[in-house]
Amino acid sequence: DAMVIQNPRYQVTQFGKPVTLSCSQTLNHNVMYWYQQKSSQAPKLLFHYYDKDFNNEADTPDNFQSRRPNTSFCFLDIRSPGLGDAAMYLCATSRSSSDSNQPQHFGDGTRLSIL
Amino acid sequence: GNSVTQMEGPVTLSEEAFLTINCTYTATGYPSLFWYVQYPGEGLQLLLKATKADDKGSNKGFEATYRKETTSFHLEKGSVQVSDSAVYFCALKRTGRRALTFGSGTRLQVQP
Repeated sequence: DAMVIQNPRYQVTQFGKPVTLSCSQTLNHNVMYWYQQKSSQAPKLLFHYYDKDFNNEADTPDNFQSRRPNTSFCFLDIRSPGLGDAAMYLCATSRSSSDSNQPQHFGDGTRLSIL
Repeated sequence: GNSVTQMEGPVTLSEEAFLTINCTYTATGYPSLFWYVQYPGEGLQLLLKATKADDKGSNKGFEATYRKETTSFHLEKGSVQVSDSAVYFCALKRTGRRALTFGSGTRLQVQP
């Protein structure tokens, strides 16, 4: 089945130690998104790629970066994680968005813990 | 700006009860509206969508109607099951924008 896969499901890192989360997709969608979801809250968009074009949300901290080496893969890099960055990180994809009808397809998320 | 307001949870129901989860929105233009469901420990799954006024989205016994006059998209199900226990998110997507704007989510607990 075509899907969005996130690895790992659970990630533990130390305060200030860089960490990378990965997302891959077999849907061949040209848009990929990263969301941060803290406990009992709505997902919050961090940034997205439209093909190779990177689109950052205005309030995304500089500590968060992303890379998309090809259509299938997208990475979330947290340069110096703080305790406040502990959250579930969700990757999503969608087809070209000239049509607002296109839904986003989500992976199961990576739960990040900071020691 | 765009926003989505959902009723606060948790909503606790007995099996086979009728479900309504209220959702209202604020947006310019004519957004598309979505309901997503999140089961424990998982990502979000699209439940249903509606793209224009008076459209009704439906899936797995759930329904929601896009009401432009009341800017609402309430989720309903006639008879809930224990397996419906999850968090439900209402979301909108404005024309020309790629991002979804989510409501805060409503936790549903169905008891046997």
